[in-house]
Amino acid sequence: AQSVAQPEDQVNVAEGNPLTVKCTYSVSGNPYLFWYVQYPNRGLQFLLKYITGDNLVKGSYGFEAEFNKSQTSFHLKKPSALVSDSALYFCAVSLDTGFQKLVFGTGTRLLVSP
Amino acid sequence: NAGVTQTPKFQVLKTGQSMTLQCAQDMNHNSMYWYRQDPGMGLRLIYYSASEGTTDKGEVPNGYNVSRLNKREFSLRLESAAPSQTSVYFCASMELAELKVPLYEQYFGPGTRLTVT
Repeated sequence: AQSVAQPEDQVNVAEGNPLTVKCTYSVSGNPYLFWYVQYPNRGLQFLLKYITGDNLVKGSYGFEAEFNKSQTSFHLKKPSALVSDSALYFCAVSLDTGFQKLVFGTGTRLLVSP
Repeated sequence: NAGVTQTPKFQVLKTGQSMTLQCAQDMNHNSMYWYRQDPGMGLRLIYYSASEGTTDKGEVPNGYNVSRLNKREFSLRLESAAPSQTSVYFCASMELAELKVPLYEQYFGPGTRLTVT
């Protein structure tokens, strides 16, 4: 069965510094990978996805993610963190089964300090 | 467009009581989902509806039932609430791509925080 792992419960970074939120996946077929963000007391919002093609995917709010097939990873990155980026981030995977059911990781809380 | 709306926002139930969580979307999406979010466990799929008239079990369906009332509305029912069902419930919708590739993202509602005592 497919799964995703987010090894860090929390990531702390200072404003202006680069940030990385890690995600690794385990699937038997072609992985389709997603990042979602959740702000306090809100539903999840889509950030970006990898379907095929270029391994570096750019998304909303200046975020990007790099698909690495050999390391089965899809880490989320941003060159310069903002305090407003503080939120809960979820990695998710979907198989090419003809219908999109997402399997979510446990989430990583990002705290950006001023 | 309101997107995905959920009612109620908060609910407290006693063990054994029943209730229905309502979800509606105005984006003309074919597919709808119900998730629960628990600390340290991410989001887990309870039920989903690929299109109007169909529903299927997800990862954690026990204790729940669903109804796809029409294309817009997808409700989740707890027949006899248990403390283990204390959680935040999210509804989501998505346009279903014609091909097998998931071209689209899911849109989430604001959630219902349910406490069962």
